[in-house]
Amino acid sequence: EAQVTQNPRYLITVTGKKLTVTCSQNMNHEYMSWYRQDPGLGLRQIYYSMNVEVTDKGDVPEGYKVSRKEKRNFPLILESPSPNQTSLYFCASRSPLNTGELFFGEGSRLTVL
Amino acid sequence: KQEVTQIPAALSVPEGENLVLNCSFTDSAIYNLQWFRQDPGKGLTSLLLIQSSQREQTSGRLNASLDKSSGRSTLYIAASQPGDSATYLCALAGYSGNTPLVFGKGTRLSVIA
Repeated sequence: EAQVTQNPRYLITVTGKKLTVTCSQNMNHEYMSWYRQDPGLGLRQIYYSMNVEVTDKGDVPEGYKVSRKEKRNFPLILESPSPNQTSLYFCASRSPLNTGELFFGEGSRLTVL
Repeated sequence: KQEVTQIPAALSVPEGENLVLNCSFTDSAIYNLQWFRQDPGKGLTSLLLIQSSQREQTSGRLNASLDKSSGRSTLYIAASQPGDSATYLCALAGYSGNTPLVFGKGTRLSVIA
């Protein structure tokens, strides 16, 4: 089954404790991206990747890092989480580039205390 | 910069009604437009994808149209059911391969039995 898998689905952490949210897709998609969703602000893109070893900033990249060492995985790293990063995070993938359908993971709800 | 607006923000209808959700955008230079459904606390499920060269797409009780000249897309839902209750979002892909999708903030639909 074609899918985008995120882990963990739910996480409560404390300020400053590094964490990684993993994302994996089994559709051999080149394009992957991370979004955060906040009430009243909608979905905003954090980072995206056009292919392996190619990443770029989206609209709200501050406080986040990503890596794309292999095609199927695109982890989101919060080096020093802060309470304003409390949000619902979504990973998505698409192929090819702009012509294809965007597939989303189930989301990761992160709370930073 | 592309801006996407979905009005109304919320809509409540009795079961069985046909309804139209609206999505308007400011820049007609788009590659495609995608409609999504999101259930509370869940990920986004793709409903329909319309390429720039197309006027409409249909899937079951859903029909999406695209009018680039007026900067509008509509999602028509026929014979609505309580199971259609969800938030519906539209997203636009720009013409350049590395531009992020721009999302509307969604219309929250409630279908009352």
